[in-house]
Amino acid sequence: GAVVSQHPSWVICKSGTSVKIECRSLDFQATTMFWYRQFPKQSLMLMATSNEGSKATYEQGVEKDKFLINHASLTLSTLTVTSAHPEDSSFYICSATRRESDTQYFGPGTRLTVL
Amino acid sequence: GENVEQHPSTLSVQEGDSAVIKCTYSDSASNYFPWYKQELGKRPQLIIDIRSNVGEKKDQRIAVTLNKTAKHFSLHITETQPEDSAVYFCAASIRSGGSYIPTFGRGTSLIVHP
Repeated sequence: GAVVSQHPSWVICKSGTSVKIECRSLDFQATTMFWYRQFPKQSLMLMATSNEGSKATYEQGVEKDKFLINHASLTLSTLTVTSAHPEDSSFYICSATRRESDTQYFGPGTRLTVL
Repeated sequence: GENVEQHPSTLSVQEGDSAVIKCTYSDSASNYFPWYKQELGKRPQLIIDIRSNVGEKKDQRIAVTLNKTAKHFSLHITETQPEDSAVYFCAASIRSGGSYIPTFGRGTSLIVHP
């Protein structure tokens, strides 16, 4: 149990376009989902914490208007990178936890390349 | 906020040797400490975790120790194998509301030579 999927696994887009990434918990209800960004050979940088039905809490330095997060149901959260630029190219990973649980289950990640 | 330091950044060992990765944290409110293994281009996989009410936990070749007083915790891998080669991340989590918010270390690239 505790499987998290992400879609798409990779995406290439032109500068200025928007890209939506989906994160789904397949066999459990995810009351909290996390979005991370990871640069090559670097650690996981937490971008925001998303609780179902409420607004996401963004980490310092992460632009809310650029990285739109929606967590409308207990199994789905989306991250939309708006007006993407080449510097937004990165590996984006989501994770999900059950209510009152400390264990995170990670999605497989989405490789975003902005040309 | 929480700050997690992880050392070393790179660790090279011979097959069969032991490997130790150490992390320190700054916030005494952290109470959950997971370790993740991440292979290139893949998702982090939880390999072991420890909670603040326990000092040591072992799972086959992997063990984790926690010293709350000193605010440090360590990952120990015995009898290393080439397939253990990966990047390992430690994390310290603080409960905030109903969620546990993690702070990750910078990662350790473990290379096990056959």
